[in-house]
Amino acid sequence: DAGITQSPRHKVTETGTPVTLRCHQTENHRYMYWYRQDPGHGLRLIHYSYGVKDTDKGEVSDGYSVSRSKTEDFLLTLESATSSQTSVYFCAIRADRGRAGELFFGEGSRLTVL
Amino acid sequence: AQSVTQLDSQVPVFEEAPVELRCNYSSSVSVYLFWYVQYPNQGLQLLLKYLSGSTLVESINGFEAEFNKSQTSFHLRKPSVHISDTAEYFCAAYNQAGTALIFGKGTTLSVSS
Repeated sequence: DAGITQSPRHKVTETGTPVTLRCHQTENHRYMYWYRQDPGHGLRLIHYSYGVKDTDKGEVSDGYSVSRSKTEDFLLTLESATSSQTSVYFCAIRADRGRAGELFFGEGSRLTVL
Repeated sequence: AQSVTQLDSQVPVFEEAPVELRCNYSSSVSVYLFWYVQYPNQGLQLLLKYLSGSTLVESINGFEAEFNKSQTSFHLRKPSVHISDTAEYFCAAYNQAGTALIFGKGTTLSVSS
């Protein structure tokens, strides 16, 4: 158990509404990531964080923002959700010690934007 | 160009047959290479990884992958598959800065009896 939880696990919302997904870790790892998974596209990186208040963009960052005010929480926000953001969102943490380089994934958050 | 390319989107095989899932990487990524597996309705879990050393790496459930620098490949193989190996498999590599893991589009392995 990598000590990573995502919430909510399922959410249905309407176009134009704001949505925030939360990723929580208990391992105190430095790096955290948000990916989205879509059929035919695999996993694509949205944003990642390498420390408190330190974040960077990934491949598909448009329409998303993130915040990390404390080590254990990494929030992904869709300011105004669109149907193209319907997806499964995975949070991951990167092992700092021992199993270096390995990412541990949460169970995913399925978001449907109507 | 795609940084990590999985050459087959779907691979159907019969139980106990051998299988190879192909992965090529480009010069835009590092040679820290990974295979992840995703069983239906679950998150991803590490299958095996290559960081350095022996070019042949093995997993605990019979999969192996070989890092081939000249071919820029990291193909995944198993000599005899089981029904339970049915899953989606992702090849991945770190970017050159070593800050983010870049994934291929995935290969769905379907094992039937």
